[in-house]
Amino acid sequence: AQSVTQLDSHVSVSEGTPVLLRCNYSSSYSPSLFWYVQHPNKGLQLLLKYTSAATLVKGINGFEAEFKKSETSFHLTKPSAHMSDAAEYFCVVSDKPGGGADGLTFGKGTHLIIQP
Amino acid sequence: DSGVTQTPKHLITATGQRVTLRCSPRSGDLSVYWYQQSLDQGLQFLIQYYNGEERAKGNILERFSAQQFPDLHSELNLSSLELGDSALYFCASSVEAGAFSYEQYFGPGTRLTVT
Repeated sequence: AQSVTQLDSHVSVSEGTPVLLRCNYSSSYSPSLFWYVQHPNKGLQLLLKYTSAATLVKGINGFEAEFKKSETSFHLTKPSAHMSDAAEYFCVVSDKPGGGADGLTFGKGTHLIIQP
Repeated sequence: DSGVTQTPKHLITATGQRVTLRCSPRSGDLSVYWYQQSLDQGLQFLIQYYNGEERAKGNILERFSAQQFPDLHSELNLSSLELGDSALYFCASSVEAGAFSYEQYFGPGTRLTVT
C-alpha cells in the first residue's frame, strides 16, 4: 500500500524568499512521485515528476524536488517565491507495478501563502 | 490548458436526484480517471477506464458508476444524491493504463452542489 504525508498544511513565505514544501511517502515498490499545483478554482497542473531517473527533478516555474530514498522524502523547493506561486500543492505517489492500473494517492495538500 | 475537458463546470441539484458528468480526454490518451475532491476527504481516486473497459476502482460508492465510450469520452453517473456528495469532481487522462510513471493530465473539474 502507498501513502503520502505532507508535513505542513499551510506555509507562508515572503515574496523573493525560498519555498520549501515537505512530503514523505510510503510505498511497497519503487514509487513514482509527483507534485501537482492547484490554483483557486482551477484544475490540477503537473509541476514535476520523479520516475527512478535522476533524483533531483526540475519542474516548471522554477520548482524542483529531490527524491531521497533513505529519508522517504520528496520535498519541493523554489529559490525565490513569486506572488503567482500562491496555490495549493499536492504531493502524489503511485507505485502500482506495470501491467495493472491504479489512480494516484494524494497528500492532503499544502496551502502556500506568499506575503508581499 | 491540459487538453482535458469537463462539462458542466457547475451543477446544482437536489438530494435524491441523478446527474451525469462528462469528460473528454486529451487527444490520444486511452485512460480516463475520475477523482472526487472534498474538504473532509481531500482528493480521492474513484475509478479508471482504459480504452472502454474498467481498469481499477478506488473509493467509489455503489450509487456511482462510470463508463467510457468508443470515442473515449467518459461519463460519471451519480445517483440517489446525498448532501455529502457535494464536491469537485475531476477527470484526468494519461497515455496508457498500467504505465504508472506516466503523468495524468487533469481537467478543470465539475463542482457539484447537492441541496
